[in-house]
Amino acid sequence: DAKTTQPPSMDCAEGRAANLPCNHSTISGNEYVYWYRQIHSQGPQYIIHGLKNNETNEMASLIITEDRKSSTLILPHATLRDTAVYYCIVPYGGSQGNLIFGKGTKLSVKP
Amino acid sequence: DADVTQTPRNRITKTGKRIMLECSQTKGHDRMYWYRQDPGLGLRLIYYSFDVKDINKGEISDGYSVSRQAQAKFSLSLESAIPNQTALYFCATSGSTWGQPQHFGDGTRLSIL
Repeated sequence: DAKTTQPPSMDCAEGRAANLPCNHSTISGNEYVYWYRQIHSQGPQYIIHGLKNNETNEMASLIITEDRKSSTLILPHATLRDTAVYYCIVPYGGSQGNLIFGKGTKLSVKP
Repeated sequence: DADVTQTPRNRITKTGKRIMLECSQTKGHDRMYWYRQDPGLGLRLIYYSFDVKDINKGEISDGYSVSRQAQAKFSLSLESAIPNQTALYFCATSGSTWGQPQHFGDGTRLSIL
């Protein structure tokens, strides 16, 4: 089983911020949190990852709580093309080889 | 990610045939991975390789074998394909520095009749 818990689905209005939550209460001190998304049957697309500090890149922002037990992925201005399944992943044992993809959150961006 | 190329993109074959799926990358990464995805499910790790001489079994390696021919190439073989190996197969790569994310190819859709 995945080490993370995500809501199965969320809706967001086009142009608004999409905030996707993730719980990872058993995360260890040196384990990263990774976010990927998968559009239909395409290959998973890397979005962002973080350890302790909040992170931002051209795609999204990642907010990690101080106790590191949860995080939120923020898509600041969602578009229809952001409709996808979003996966929050904490690898088992910290090894990059053990990315366990759970069921993720199906984000639907609506006009 | 165009830096990770999988061939073929689609393949239909019969039970008992030997199949090879190929993955090549131009990212210069040491680590490569093979996953499969079944409809409505997440990805499951089949094999991974941290360098040319290091190959490891993943969660579901039975019925599969791999070959790391070079840093840039990692092949997945099904020696005798069976219908329940029908799935989407993805290759991924990552750097070896702690925390480096994996980057995925566009996948191979494999159907075994």
